[in-house]
Amino acid sequence: DTGVSQDPRHKITKRGQNVTFRCDPISEHNRLYWYRQTLGQGPEFLTYFQNEAQLEKSRLLSDRFSAERPKGSFSTLEIQRTEQGDSAMYLCASSWPNRDRGTTNEKLFFGSGTQLSVL
Amino acid sequence: GNSVTQMEGPVTLSEEAFLTINCTYTATGYPSLFWYVQYPGEGLQLLLKATKADDKGSNKGFEATYRKETTSFHLEKGSVQVSDSAVYFCALSYTGTASKLTFGTGTRLQVTL
Repeated sequence: DTGVSQDPRHKITKRGQNVTFRCDPISEHNRLYWYRQTLGQGPEFLTYFQNEAQLEKSRLLSDRFSAERPKGSFSTLEIQRTEQGDSAMYLCASSWPNRDRGTTNEKLFFGSGTQLSVL
Repeated sequence: GNSVTQMEGPVTLSEEAFLTINCTYTATGYPSLFWYVQYPGEGLQLLLKATKADDKGSNKGFEATYRKETTSFHLEKGSVQVSDSAVYFCALSYTGTASKLTFGTGTRLQVTL
């Protein structure tokens, strides 16, 4: 399978614990995105990387959240001192944008997500 | 800010029925519009997109037309199948530096025999 893979699929933790999720994008995709989806809502943008550089972070990403993409390949998302409000599905997506006649075309490929439950 | 509003689900249809899922948006300028589909246990997949007014996106029998005058991008299919059962998300973004999608809340479609 050469799609976007996320690990783990499910994570149950106690409030106050730290958790880390991993995303492996499609190889050669230079952009990587993190989204969060809570129950009954659509996904919300958190942050994205171009290669190893983190270019934008949403205001949803509090100081307890940190994301890295050290070699421009896989990425990790860490949540410190988890709270019950952090319970959500964390989605990763990757892309390889291309320019065609002055227009940027970008198709995101999503992983299946990591479901976090904070007790 | 930008927002996307979808009709609430679940939508339950019999096989071969006509499908419409309404989507309207609020945004400045000229966003690109998308429909994503999420099948059970799978990641979101791009279903179709339209990048400018009056464009029609189509894929797998689904269609949606970018209507700037009504700020809408309704999803339609003439004859649904059981295999179309999934959650459908309408979304928008701006071409440029990155695809920061703004999603609607999703509409669950259940197709029965």
